[in-house]
Amino acid sequence: LAKTTQPISMDSYEGQEVNITCSHNNIATNDYITWYQQFPSQGPRFIIQGYKTKVTNEVASLFIPADRKSSTLSLPRVSLSDTAVYYCLVGDGWGKLQFGAGTQVVVTP
Amino acid sequence: NAGVTQTPKFRVLKTGQSMTLLCAQDMNHEYMYWYRQDPGMGLRLIHYSVGEGTTAKGEVPDGYNVSRLKKQNFLLGLESAAPSQTSVYFCASSTGGQEDYEQYFGPGTRLTVT
Repeated sequence: LAKTTQPISMDSYEGQEVNITCSHNNIATNDYITWYQQFPSQGPRFIIQGYKTKVTNEVASLFIPADRKSSTLSLPRVSLSDTAVYYCLVGDGWGKLQFGAGTQVVVTP
Repeated sequence: NAGVTQTPKFRVLKTGQSMTLLCAQDMNHEYMYWYRQDPGMGLRLIHYSVGEGTTAKGEVPDGYNVSRLKKQNFLLGLESAAPSQTSVYFCASSTGGQEDYEQYFGPGTRLTVT
């Protein structure tokens, strides 16, 4: 499982776009990049997953450059309810997920 | 659908006591997992199962045992609890397979060992 590095914390104001970059220099050819969100006292929740280029869903976008050594989760127009810990994970599937410490995002009015 | 449920939600044990945590899922998922999360840290995989009757060790299996007698249930046992096992325990399930990245998590069990 490739190791990931992401910022410990990020602050933002409501309505702004938040971009969290994750470094995964040792990503393997078969690895996908997955992001999870965790609120206090809850289990993590799947946000988005991608292999290369750009993936977008109703809550976020994931940008992956050609070398795939990093990825950026983009949260558009955040609200107070987006305050949470965000985890970047890299793996080749088969259910193996390795969670790091994550990035604490705090959104203020 | 209830999704993934965990029983109990809270528990306090004395050192040396035993207990079993129950996880149940109603999504007909093949894979199930047990994680622990210590304060300020990410989740660490304890044990997992890729199907009924199968179990495997994760990253931190020592001091825990698991069983998957029924597809919908995954039990985590502590035979002799230690203060180092004070943590929040999360169960998760997923469809399984090579492109299996979306796990569904339960609400967690907060365990304190004194």
